[in-house]
Amino acid sequence: DTAVSQTPKYLVTQMGNDKSIKCEQNLGHDTMYWYKQDSKKFLKIMFSYNNKELIINETVPNRFSPKSPDKAHLNLHINSLELGDSAVYFCASSLTGWKQYFGPGTRLTVT
Amino acid sequence: DQQVKQNSPSLSVQEGRISILNCDYTNSMFDYFLWYKKYPAEGPTFLISISSIKDKNEDGRFTVFLNKSAKHLSLHIVPSQPGDSAVYFCAASAGSGGSNYKLTFGKGTLLTVNP
Repeated sequence: DTAVSQTPKYLVTQMGNDKSIKCEQNLGHDTMYWYKQDSKKFLKIMFSYNNKELIINETVPNRFSPKSPDKAHLNLHINSLELGDSAVYFCASSLTGWKQYFGPGTRLTVT
Repeated sequence: DQQVKQNSPSLSVQEGRISILNCDYTNSMFDYFLWYKKYPAEGPTFLISISSIKDKNEDGRFTVFLNKSAKHLSLHIVPSQPGDSAVYFCAASAGSGGSNYKLTFGKGTLLTVNP
């Protein structure tokens, strides 16, 4: 009964490839997020969707595209992967208010 | 530009003693603050929060103090337990209402509680 799940947990790929990370939440939340934790350990928001509508879009390269097929899912597609994309990506969700529930993270390594 | 700063990358305390984790912020628009705890290979989990209209919020062994004039908040854990060993993230938000709950995180402090 995992609240927020992400697949895959680990992803190793080569530069130039296209990859996707999937996120699902079974909490009935309206809002979902993608965060990136880089090598310096900063956790930075990338995107936020509310009821399938994009509401936060930070300064993220166009190679990153979130897709929300329904309220329970928010997937992250990354095109033309670069070395600098290597990081841990966290999905999160919230109902209303500031309390966000995070998934376990996906460690992306680009070689 | 780090708007939320956790200047101590690590802290080590003895079991049973108090742990004090500090956080400073620069954005005066921040009006809601949260602490998250993170174990290795897991996502952050919510611990406690405080609104800018308060200066203290308590939940069991955890208390968060907010000093708005100093733009400083702290998390107190009393008594500390070995299971509290984790990375603690401070996060802040500028209230905008609606569904735009954007959190700005600090870099985290690794707390180690020694038995």
